[in-house]
Amino acid sequence: NAGVTQTPKFQVLKTGQSMTLQCAQDMNHEYMSWYRQDPGMGLRLIHYSVGAGITDQGEVPNGYNVSRSTTEDFPLRLLSAAPSQTSVYFCASTPGAGGNSPLHFGNGTRLTVT
Amino acid sequence: AQSVTQLGSHVSVSEGALVLLRCNYSSSVPPYLFWYVQYPNQGLQLLLKYTSAATLVKGINGFEAEFKKSETSFHLTKPSAHMSDAAEYFCAVSERNTGFQKLVFGTGTRLLVSP
Repeated sequence: NAGVTQTPKFQVLKTGQSMTLQCAQDMNHEYMSWYRQDPGMGLRLIHYSVGAGITDQGEVPNGYNVSRSTTEDFPLRLLSAAPSQTSVYFCASTPGAGGNSPLHFGNGTRLTVT
Repeated sequence: AQSVTQLGSHVSVSEGALVLLRCNYSSSVPPYLFWYVQYPNQGLQLLLKYTSAATLVKGINGFEAEFKKSETSFHLTKPSAHMSDAAEYFCAVSERNTGFQKLVFGTGTRLLVSP
């Protein structure tokens, strides 16, 4: 029962570097999303996907890119890291498109940008 | 736009005491409501959800929440706290007839349990 798997668990980047946060799920969920968690701000949606080949922006998309070539994988790319992107990143998947469908979360990637 | 407010960023209780975590939402019609729990260094897990059936919703680990339309609230309770309940709890709201991507999270309440 792997569920949603995120790698790496921790990452330190220098300003201007790029990297990809990996997310994979084995539940055959069509719908996936990326959130960032910052102290006192809850979770904010970065990008989401409603199926392979279909992605869209969330609340805070600037500085991030996503793609969805398969149902299982939904990587998040930081193009040129900035200190403001220091955060904990969570990938989630859900079996249904509706607002009543619960999210299944990975264990997160803690990113520090210096 | 819908929003959710969690009163108290930290709540401290003694083991065996009642747990009460507050959540209020703003929505013109009764929304979908969720409580998630986050243990240290882990992702969020669903505790319970309200979608339109009984207003008293029972979840995992002995938690329950009551939907009160007149108070626009969905407070989370547990009769007797255990040390293992120490975690951060998030209330989330989603309007009906919207997608999963419209889910809005509160800022979270950290529950501290002392022996």
